[in-house]
Amino acid sequence: DAGVIQSPRHEVTEMGQEVTLRCKPISGHNSLFWYRQTMMRGLELLIYFNNNVPIDDSGMPEDRFSAKMPNASFSTLKIQPSEPRDSAVYFCASSPSSRGSNQPQHFGDGTRLSIL
Amino acid sequence: TQLLEQSPQFLSIQEGENLTVYCNSSSVFSSLQWYRQEPGEGPVLLVTVVTGGEVKKLKRLTFQFGDARKDSSLHITAAQPGDTGLYLCAGGSQGNLIFGKGTKLSVKP
Repeated sequence: DAGVIQSPRHEVTEMGQEVTLRCKPISGHNSLFWYRQTMMRGLELLIYFNNNVPIDDSGMPEDRFSAKMPNASFSTLKIQPSEPRDSAVYFCASSPSSRGSNQPQHFGDGTRLSIL
Repeated sequence: TQLLEQSPQFLSIQEGENLTVYCNSSSVFSSLQWYRQEPGEGPVLLVTVVTGGEVKKLKRLTFQFGDARKDSSLHITAAQPGDTGLYLCAGGSQGNLIFGKGTKLSVKP
């Protein structure tokens, strides 16, 4: 079975440019999560969706960040304009259900983002 | 704010040694999960514990959830180079997970 698929795997761009990260969750999973991982702060939840609806976006750093889930098989995380401090590895994860917190989360391999 | 503190932050040992890493919080969690992350990959779930005092074994790995459901430990027996990676604990809270910063384990042959 295909796991969570993220693209691109690596992105290097100059500050001020728009960056779009993409995620295809595991088919049949109802919940989708976007995380950011850095050495200093570890793995931070940015936003999560349940049945394509954003449930909690309190982790989104600021208005430059936005996320959408137009259908059950696709989500995007957009940064506009990008800044050097946005450099990190961004992970997408999906899980079968948001009911309770015991469901395992399945992670993609991440997008390593470098903003110059 | 719920936080999970993991210790030690880094651990470097020789193949064959035993080790224990810890995950502590002042908050009660409904469940606790352990993940392992290898370089260039996403975290992969190892185990979920849900009952206070629960002990689960996965080959050479033993996981324990504290009686009060505020802490957990992971014990590895006879560590092997393949155990190298970042071990993350994550507490269940209101439909999502709160992650600790992890213990980076290096097992040298």
